[in-house]
Order: sequence, then structure tokens, then C-alpha cells
Amino acid sequence: AQSVTQPDIHITVSEGASLELRCNYSYGATPYLFWYVQSPGQGLQLLLKYFSGDTLVQGIKGFEAEFKRSQSSFNLRKPSVHWSDAAEYFCAVGAYYGGSQGNLIFGKGTKLSVKP
Amino acid sequence: EPEVTQTPSHQVTQMGQEVILRCVPISNHLYFYWYRQILGQKVEFLVSFYNNEISEKSEIFDDQFSVERPDGSNFTLKIRSTKLEDSAMYFCASSRQGEGGYTFGSGTRLTVV
Repeated sequence: AQSVTQPDIHITVSEGASLELRCNYSYGATPYLFWYVQSPGQGLQLLLKYFSGDTLVQGIKGFEAEFKRSQSSFNLRKPSVHWSDAAEYFCAVGAYYGGSQGNLIFGKGTKLSVKP
Repeated sequence: EPEVTQTPSHQVTQMGQEVILRCVPISNHLYFYWYRQILGQKVEFLVSFYNNEISEKSEIFDDQFSVERPDGSNFTLKIRSTKLEDSAMYFCASSRQGEGGYTFGSGTRLTVV
């Protein structure tokens, strides 16, 4: 079955510390992988995506993620967290066919809290 | 930066009533989607729409749901007879041809009482 697992429901880090949010997926076809961020009361903002090529992808707000096919993982990282990064983060996997993207399968999300 | 616009931001309705959630996708996008997020749960796919027809739908998207693109700019989700369990945040999204990724709207919080 196709699924996305985010093992950490809630993570707290100190401002300035590094961050890694974990994401594992199970997907039958070639996966297209995404990280979205959701601030309270807001929509889903795309942080970064992986379609092909370099397995280390750079996104907005200083985030990066690394695709590891052998581990079925797509972990999100940031070297130095800012208080404004406090939000919920969603990993998602999807397909790409016929010139468009198919539906996305989301993980349950990881809520990030940032300590001053 | 282009945005997907959803209205209203919050809607309260009586159980059994019909609701229409509205979305204005990004103008040059061709693919449109609805997702929902029940409080505390994951975001779930409902339906995708292309070329004026449904291209894919989930098992959640039963006969109570319908989508429409009534004109060149709006994309609507109708729930015919709302149930308490329809209470959720509903997200509209759109994407262009190619590997651009979705752009999501800010969502409509639907509360069924």
C-alpha cells in the first residue's frame, strides 16, 4: 500500500539549532516527493520538491531535503532554526503521469516548536 | 506570486444543508484538486479535475460531493447534504502542465453543527 510515515509527531528545538524531520514512504512507482509547511490557520506552502536528478534538493526558507532511495526516505533539514519556523510540516508523495501530477499522499505531519 | 484563493475562510452550516466551497485557481493552471484535513488528521485527497471533467477521485468523494468549473476562473466543491463528519478544512489546489508542484489555497474551514 502507498503510504507516507512521519515518525515524529512533535519536535521541539532551540532557536539556532539544527533540525531534521524524518519522512519514509512506500510507493509502487517512481515517487515524486514534497515537503509542505502549514502555519496555524494557513494553507499548505510548498517548501521543496524532488522529481529527479540531484538527490539533495534546496527549498525556500533555507530548507533542504535528501532523497535516499535505498532507505525510502526524504528527510527535511535546516542548519539553523528560526522562531518563525514553528509550524507543522507535511511530507507527501505522488506520481507524475500524462503531463500532470496525480494525487498526493500525505504523512500525518510533524509539529515543530522552537524554544527561544 | 500567484495565489489560489478560497472563499469563505470559515463556514458554519446545519447538518443536512448543502454547501458550496469556492476556489479561484491560478489563471494559467490546468489541473485542479480538492483535499480535506479533518482536525488532527492527515490531509486527504478528494478529487482532481482536468479539461472539465473529473480525472481521479478517492473513495471519500461519494455521491454527496460534486465539483464544477462554472466559468473560466472558479472551481467549486459542493456537498449536497452535509454530515457532522464533513467538518474539516478543505483545501483547493491547482497545478500547471509539468512538474511544477501544487499550489494550495489557504483553505475553508467547514463546521457542520
